[in-house]
Amino acid sequence: DVKVTQSSRYLVKRTGEKVFLECVQDMDHENMFWYRQDPGLGLRLIYFSYDVKMKEKGDIPEGYSVSREKKERFSLILESASTNQTSMYLCASGQGRGYTFGSGTRLTVV
Amino acid sequence: QKEVEQDPGPLSVPEGAIVSLNCTYSNSAFQYFMWYRQYSRKGPELLMYTYSSGNKEDGRFTAQVDKSSKYISLFIRDSQPSDSATYLCAMWSRAGGSYIPTFGRGTSLIVHP
Repeated sequence: DVKVTQSSRYLVKRTGEKVFLECVQDMDHENMFWYRQDPGLGLRLIYFSYDVKMKEKGDIPEGYSVSREKKERFSLILESASTNQTSMYLCASGQGRGYTFGSGTRLTVV
Repeated sequence: QKEVEQDPGPLSVPEGAIVSLNCTYSNSAFQYFMWYRQYSRKGPELLMYTYSSGNKEDGRFTAQVDKSSKYISLFIRDSQPSDSATYLCAMWSRAGGSYIPTFGRGTSLIVHP
């Protein structure tokens, strides 16, 4: 089974901090995605990547950046955390036949 | 109109009931359809994956796709309290080489004993 591991389940950060969310997959997938999930809004795509060092903006990239230096690792960076970035962050990986999600990181910005 | 519409519920049913969860979509290019189950405070897990129209069965779960009506369904037979979760539909098209799925907002299901 594909495993997608997100480094933290819960994080509390202060406004203005730089925040790193890490995601690692073990199936050599080319495609990796970062979503945020908020009540009533569903899953919203932040960034995705088709290959190493390649990144594309999703629907809500403002305030975020990403890094993909190795195929298995896709990092989401909040340059200067704000309270409206309090959310559940989900990483996903896939090659077409369905996508596997990590367990999520619940980030609270205070 | 959103590309994928899904009633948020909650849908509350007694244990043992047959559950029908549905999504409608507007993009006729969608070819691949998925259903995810998400328990509270967890990531979504893939339940069913289907390509094109027809039915696919896996244990108590049946996924149905009607491309002519742009309508997909997930049926759960003999529902159990452990089926209580949010169910998300997702779909995507290979047009343009994109592998980005479009998700519904999810339907909350409650199965009470």
